[in-house]
Amino acid sequence: KAGVTQTPRYLIKTRGQQVTLSCSPISGHRSVSWYQQTPGQGLQFLFEYFSETQRNKGNFPGRFSGRQFSNSRSEMNVSTLELGDSALYLCASSPRWDSDYNEQFFGPGTRLTVL
Amino acid sequence: SQQGEEDPQALSIQEGENATMNCSYKTSINNLQWYRQNSGRGLVHLILIRSNEREKHSGRLRVTLDTSKKSSSLLITASRAADTASYFCATDLEGAQKLVFGQGTRLTINP
Repeated sequence: KAGVTQTPRYLIKTRGQQVTLSCSPISGHRSVSWYQQTPGQGLQFLFEYFSETQRNKGNFPGRFSGRQFSNSRSEMNVSTLELGDSALYLCASSPRWDSDYNEQFFGPGTRLTVL
Repeated sequence: SQQGEEDPQALSIQEGENATMNCSYKTSINNLQWYRQNSGRGLVHLILIRSNEREKHSGRLRVTLDTSKKSSSLLITASRAADTASYFCATDLEGAQKLVFGQGTRLTINP
């Protein structure tokens, strides 16, 4: 099976712009999670989707949004970009989410730089 | 913060030695997971230990979990240069569909 893919891999934007990142999970995986990784804050949970429904959201402003499509592919959008949004954005998928088995399979990430 | 705390933040050892990393957390968990990340890339899942388990092995990896102390440790035996990476613990909190990651331990294996 192909792994989790994320596009684009690198992105440079300026303050005030908006950006959309894409994630294709492993075939058959229905849970998709997004994380932001920065040197200062580490790995921070953004949101998790399962069967097109957002089930959990991290402590991020409303500028960060996401969605999941019927084929489990997911997108996240950041509007009105700020310098502090520069980060590695990681997508992870899992077959399902239950307490016995929720190993996350991560994509390579999208490196976003805001100038 | 409910984020796990890892100790040490950085560890440098000689090839062949054992490496031990520790993780502490604050709330009840369903399971605890360890991941590895090579410089700026995606994370790779190493091992999952459930809250009712105390020890788990996978190859050269040994993980322990002490729920009374809310702590876990990851032991890598007979380290290799390829083990150089950052290691993160992640807790699956009860009642939440999300993983909370620690700040990570940067492990360097010197040849």
